[in-house]
Amino acid sequence: IVLTQSPGTLSLSPGERATLSCRASQSVSSSYLAWYQQKPGQAPRLLIYGASSRATGIPDRFSGSGSGTDFTLTISRLEPEDFAVYYCQYYGTSLFTFGQGTNLEIK
Amino acid sequence: QVQLVESGGGVVQPGRSLRLSCAASGFTFSSYAMHWVRQAPGKGLEWVAIIWSDESHEYYADSVKGRFTISRDNWRNTLYLQMNSLRGEDTAVYYCARDMWDSRGYRFDYWGQGTLVTVSS
Repeated sequence: IVLTQSPGTLSLSPGERATLSCRASQSVSSSYLAWYQQKPGQAPRLLIYGASSRATGIPDRFSGSGSGTDFTLTISRLEPEDFAVYYCQYYGTSLFTFGQGTNLEIK
Repeated sequence: QVQLVESGGGVVQPGRSLRLSCAASGFTFSSYAMHWVRQAPGKGLEWVAIIWSDESHEYYADSVKGRFTISRDNWRNTLYLQMNSLRGEDTAVYYCARDMWDSRGYRFDYWGQGTLVTVSS
């Protein structure tokens, strides 16, 4: 299974809404779809798992949705600390696959 | 609190070997499967290997199969990655991560800070 994230780069301003897409090459189980945030020089941080469950300590402006082949990470109102790279990940028969990432940058 | 601390990275010549360690604390290490994930400079995340909590199973990415070996010492709360026949394309930051699965879903819920491996002559 290949995960394709779009867009590659998203330029937005603080306060705006961000919508990040992760598309799987075939239908996958939502239980095995997760999202991570990575800031420069830092390790990835778990945001969302099971496609829609927020990890401990993650603000409720982050939400995940989707099923089948199309999944979405939404940040309702961007804070300055949200500008980072976001990866989706899937666990399946090909074991563990990451998308190529979406770079969310300040406009 | 959960802590994962990698060590053992450095500069190594092509064809040589290196062993990475990941010291775990703040949780019952022997109850969790563990992963290695790497990130080449300026690139995305690439999963490398997983080992079951009881060491009964190991799986590898095709890119490292036959060259890398994941292992663990549940008494020492430490995860290892033995890397042999290193190549330039193995240059990356290597992260260890904890595997977590429950009724709500599957994820890598905690990550170490990473250790840099540079393969260069």
